[in-house]
Amino acid sequence: DVKVTQSSRYLVKRTGEKVFLECVQDMDHENMFWYRQDPGLGLRLIYFSYDVKMKEKGDIPEGYSVSREKKERFSLILESASTNQTSMYLCASSSPAGGRANEKLFFGSGTQLSVL
Amino acid sequence: AQSVTQPDIHITVSEGASLELRCNYSYGATPYLFWYVQSPGQGLQLLLKYFSGDTLVQGIKGFEAEFKRSQSSFNLRKPSVHWSDAAEYFCAVRAGNMLTFGGGTRLMVKP
Repeated sequence: DVKVTQSSRYLVKRTGEKVFLECVQDMDHENMFWYRQDPGLGLRLIYFSYDVKMKEKGDIPEGYSVSREKKERFSLILESASTNQTSMYLCASSSPAGGRANEKLFFGSGTQLSVL
Repeated sequence: AQSVTQPDIHITVSEGASLELRCNYSYGATPYLFWYVQSPGQGLQLLLKYFSGDTLVQGIKGFEAEFKRSQSSFNLRKPSVHWSDAAEYFCAVRAGNMLTFGGGTRLMVKP
């Protein structure tokens, strides 16, 4: 089974801190995604990457950056955390191999970030 | 731009009763549609997907969904709900590389 591992389940940071959220997948997937999940808003895409060193903005990239130096690892960076970035962050990966119809997203368990 | 609306934020059903969760989408082309489930403390798991062909799709855990183009809907159904189905359910539509999710419906199951 595909495993998508997020380094922390819970994280508490202070306003202005630089925050790193790490995600690792073990299935050699090309595509990786970062979403944030807020009650009533569902999941909103922050950034995605379809290859090493490649990144694309999602719907809400402001205040975030990403890094993908290795295929299996996709990091989300909050340069200066703010209270409105308190949220659940979900990482996902997928592979386009086999065609779009067979592509499936695999999600990590999430990181609940609280910014005080 | 594509969008997904799940009109019901919370739904409560009795165990053994039937279930229908509503999903409406907005997308200019033929949609790729998905339902995901998130159990407490878990990541999201794919229940089923529609790409083309038969408009009634079967998924895991006894769920099914029907694509109705005329109504821009992709409602999720289950004939008999089990207590373990209590979770949050998300409908999603794909456009290119991006998957756009609805706001979610939290399902509670009464004994």
